[in-house]
Amino acid sequence: GAGVSQSPSNKVTEKGKDVELRCDPISGHTALYWYRQRLGQGLEFLIYFQGNSAPDKSGLPSDRFSAERTGESVSTLTIQRTQQEDSAVYLCASSSDRLTISDEQYFGPGTRLTVT
Amino acid sequence: DAKTTQPPSMDCAEGRAANLPCNHSTISGNEYVYWYRQIHSQGPQYIIHGLKNNETNEMASLIITEDRKSSTLILPHATLRDTAVYYCIVSGPWGGATNKLIFGTGTLLAVQP
Repeated sequence: GAGVSQSPSNKVTEKGKDVELRCDPISGHTALYWYRQRLGQGLEFLIYFQGNSAPDKSGLPSDRFSAERTGESVSTLTIQRTQQEDSAVYLCASSSDRLTISDEQYFGPGTRLTVT
Repeated sequence: DAKTTQPPSMDCAEGRAANLPCNHSTISGNEYVYWYRQIHSQGPQYIIHGLKNNETNEMASLIITEDRKSSTLILPHATLRDTAVYYCIVSGPWGGATNKLIFGTGTLLAVQP
């Protein structure tokens, strides 16, 4: 079946502009995560959606970052007034998150964001 | 902060077993040990996870010490395609909490021909 998809695969934007990144999770997966990976570093957790529960936004680095998810489908991550330090690969993952047993996360290919 | 410690890099000869160590001395009783890997320019890929018992699947084996303070991921017959950064992650507790994965810097495994 189809995996997690993300778009665009690459985005170059000027400092100060807003960008919107999209994630399509695996169908039926209730949990969705966004991570950021700077060059040569590990992944940073940004935000987590689980069903209709309030999202866990504890990883968002500033109020310029926001994310939405419609039901259990598509999610968008928005970065306003982009800064050069926002340059990174943004990764989305989904899982079935059955809450009774641990469940692995499936990652998309990421969106490489470059802020010039 | 990552709760795990891994060597930054390791080499392994093709066809031989790769044994990747991980220390997680502060692991809680209800936290799982996960292993993911990331091949260059791709998203992370789940490998295996465990709580207390050793686990094996088609990709790898996971050996967890009795005190759960360390573990070893074993790739029984490494191939060139196994060259990747391997992340050992402690996650949980389960039951409604965010299952966010705190990635460290991982171990770069280089499989040599």
